Amino acid sequence: DAKTTQPPSMDCAEGRAANLPCNHSTISGNEYVYWYRQIHSQGPQYIIHGLKNNETNEMASLIITEDRKSSTLILPHATLRDTAVYYCIVRANSGGSNYKLTFGKGTLLTVNP
Amino acid sequence: GAGVSQSPRYKVTKRGQDVTLRCDPISSHATLYWYQQALGQGPEFLTYFNYEAQPDKSGLPSDRFSAERPEGSISTLTIQRTEQRDSAMYRCASSQIAGGAYNEQFFGPGTRLTVL
Repeated sequence: DAKTTQPPSMDCAEGRAANLPCNHSTISGNEYVYWYRQIHSQGPQYIIHGLKNNETNEMASLIITEDRKSSTLILPHATLRDTAVYYCIVRANSGGSNYKLTFGKGTLLTVNP
Repeated sequence: GAGVSQSPRYKVTKRGQDVTLRCDPISSHATLYWYQQALGQGPEFLTYFNYEAQPDKSGLPSDRFSAERPEGSISTLTIQRTEQRDSAMYRCASSQIAGGAYNEQFFGPGTRLTVL
């Protein structure tokens, strides 16, 4: 799976949009971008995933650049409960080791009141 | 069940003892995973099961680690002759199938293992 690079930490004011970047310059054509988050001491939680089109669900939006070498997770109105470590993961949809998630160190997002 | 459950939530043991951790996945899920998470790090893959089959155990750190899922539901992770470096959070996850684009993994609360 392609490697990802994320900033180690970010801050965001409550109620504002949180934009979390991820670089995955070696991503290949059949690899998806997944985002999970881990709130203190809990298990990781799935947020969203995409291949090349922008995606939106009730939790977040995912913007993937046209060349697919980077993406941004957007939490439109961050709350204190969104404080967590956010992991950007690249994984193929078939073949190889596509069954497992390879977590990096992620970005610690701190939402401040 | 409603979610993935793990037991015990905390385990303290002395070096050299054997420990067994249990995972109860979501009942409809065919695939079960074990991850190890050190403090301040993301989870690292250990092994996984498709029903009873264990196609990949390459992530197990040594032959002291083993996992079973004999009936394709509950799984156990056993660490023999524990060492202090085994201290970590052990997380179990399950998914409907292995792989695929929509393969969301659901994680349990983890077992915090401390080896003294």
